[in-house]
Amino acid sequence: SAVISQKPSRDICQRGTSLTIQCQVDSQVTMMFWYRQQPGQSLTLIATANQGSEATYESGFVIDKFPISRPNLTFSTLTVSNMSPEDSSIYLCSVEDRSRGYEKLFFGSGTQLSVL
Amino acid sequence: AQRVTQPEKLLSVFKGAPVELKCNYSYSGSPELFWYVQYSRQRLQLLLRHISRESIKGFTADLNKGETSFHLKKPFAQEEDSAMYYCALSMGGNKLVFGAGTILRVKS
Repeated sequence: SAVISQKPSRDICQRGTSLTIQCQVDSQVTMMFWYRQQPGQSLTLIATANQGSEATYESGFVIDKFPISRPNLTFSTLTVSNMSPEDSSIYLCSVEDRSRGYEKLFFGSGTQLSVL
Repeated sequence: AQRVTQPEKLLSVFKGAPVELKCNYSYSGSPELFWYVQYSRQRLQLLLRHISRESIKGFTADLNKGETSFHLKKPFAQEEDSAMYYCALSMGGNKLVFGAGTILRVKS
């Protein structure tokens, strides 16, 4: 399976600050996705990050709040801006790798964010 | 709108008992459905997808379009099956809508 390194694994942040989460993949992949899992909730897709173009955001998510970078085919960042306690969640990076056969979507281990 | 419903937050069974994790979906198009599993302290990973019609770790899931369901079944639960299970619906490609998840606890 694709190896995904996600950093940081957890962080505690103050209200009003920003946090950038990094996602590094061990191979070149076409599509990368960012999900959020709020406490007791399911995973919700934030955006799709494509290399060389702007990220595509899902309904309810905006670039000013969750800017995403995708500088190359192995790396992406998600920034959670101007944080509030409602942003406390697990943020997950996932990648699509069609060369891997049966399992084409791989997930990172997540970043657990707590906002005070 | 696409929606996935997993009505049970927790399902607790004894080892050797049958397991059925329920999943219902709402989607106007032709659905592509998946089951993902997250074992303790591990990453979320694919368990099975309806297209492949496989049995993985003894689990099967049949897509029932009439009932809009994709229930996950296993005839004899094992303790190592204890995990969080998510049903997911594809919005196109690998963009997924997830259900809320069901915790499966297999007791000895």
